[in-house]
Amino acid sequence: DAKTTQPPSMDCAEGRAANLPCNHSTISGNEYVYWYRQIHSQGPQYIIHGLKNNETNEMASLIITEDRKSSTLILPHATLRDTAVYYCIVRVENDYKLSFGAGTTVTVRA
Amino acid sequence: NAGVTQTPKFQVLKTGQSMTLQCAQDMNHEYMSWYRQDPGMGLRLIHYSVGAGITDQGEVPNGYNVSRSTTEDFPLRLLSAAPSQTSVYFCASSYSTGAGGYTFGSGTRLTVV
Repeated sequence: DAKTTQPPSMDCAEGRAANLPCNHSTISGNEYVYWYRQIHSQGPQYIIHGLKNNETNEMASLIITEDRKSSTLILPHATLRDTAVYYCIVRVENDYKLSFGAGTTVTVRA
Repeated sequence: NAGVTQTPKFQVLKTGQSMTLQCAQDMNHEYMSWYRQDPGMGLRLIHYSVGAGITDQGEVPNGYNVSRSTTEDFPLRLLSAAPSQTSVYFCASSYSTGAGGYTFGSGTRLTVV
């Protein structure tokens, strides 16, 4: 799996959009970008994934650059409950393994 | 639909004791896996299974055994507990296609004294 680089931490104001960047410059053509988050002491939670097109679901939007070397997870209206560690992972869609890095600790402030 | 259920939620063991961490899923997922998470660190893969009767080692398999006799259950056995196995253990499952991502359990917090 390609490695990813994320900022270690970021703050966001409640009600504002949170934009979480991820670099994956060595991503292969068949590797997807996945995002998970882990709220304190809980199991990780799947958020969204995509290959090359932008994706949106009820939780977030995923923007992938045209060269696929980076992506941004957007939480459109951050709430205090979005405070968590966010992990960007690249993997082949049917691969059994998730390789978790250090992630980005996002703190949403009132 | 309960998702992924892990038991127990908390456990304290003495060094040398053995125990089994239980994991069950009701989503008919083919893939199941066990991860451990140490304080301030990301998750590391212990063992995984791509279907009933098929298991394999992950990054940190030493000291752990698994079996998968049914699609639903994937127990993790600690053979002889050591303080280095103090950790939070997460079980996860997914469809083999990867669609929808992995669903994780709520974790088992294990302390070995």
